[in-house]
Amino acid sequence: SQTIHQWPATLVQPVGSPLSLECTVEGTSNPNLYWYRQAAGRGLQLLFYSVGIGQISSEVPQNLSASRPQDRQFILSSKKLLLSDSGFYLCAWSSGGSGAQPQHFGDGTRLSIL
Amino acid sequence: AQSVAQPEDQVNVAEGNPLTVKCTYSVSGNPYLFWYVQYPNRGLQFLLKYITGDNLVKGSYGFEAEFNKSQTSFHLKKPSALVSDSALYFCAVRDTYSSASKIIFGSGTRLSIRP
Repeated sequence: SQTIHQWPATLVQPVGSPLSLECTVEGTSNPNLYWYRQAAGRGLQLLFYSVGIGQISSEVPQNLSASRPQDRQFILSSKKLLLSDSGFYLCAWSSGGSGAQPQHFGDGTRLSIL
Repeated sequence: AQSVAQPEDQVNVAEGNPLTVKCTYSVSGNPYLFWYVQYPNRGLQFLLKYITGDNLVKGSYGFEAEFNKSQTSFHLKKPSALVSDSALYFCAVRDTYSSASKIIFGSGTRLSIRP
């Protein structure tokens, strides 16, 4: 069966520090991968998605970047965090193809910027 | 362009009563529709989807949803609510004419079941 892992679960970082959040998927190959941010337990904002290694689409210009160095690994990064980067970050995967398959989410990373 | 709306921020239901969480959508082509549930400090869990076929879709935990093409709605329902159903619920849509990689989520509805 497929599983998705995100770490760390919580993170407290000072303003101006770098960031690296990692997400890995097991049990499937060539998944579509996604990074979302959720503010205040409400709606999801799509940040990045990837349909293959090295292929990243950015949805919202901001202080963050994403990379996909391996088929089932998706990394969210920042060189210098801002206070506004605080939030709940969710990684998700879906099977490629027609788009009829649902997305499956990790348990998220709660990021607090001090 | 595709969009999805959840008109209620919160729905309150007594345990044992039926529940409905509303969702309407707008797409250019045919919709793929999904419902997800989120418990505190967790990721979203997939409940059910509509792709084609029967308008009544059954999913996990006793939930079902009814696709209504004329009203462009996909309301989530359960005949008898449990306290454990209290959570945040998201409707999502993908337009079959759009990129297969993109899905649009509603703003979420908080469901509260009182004992």
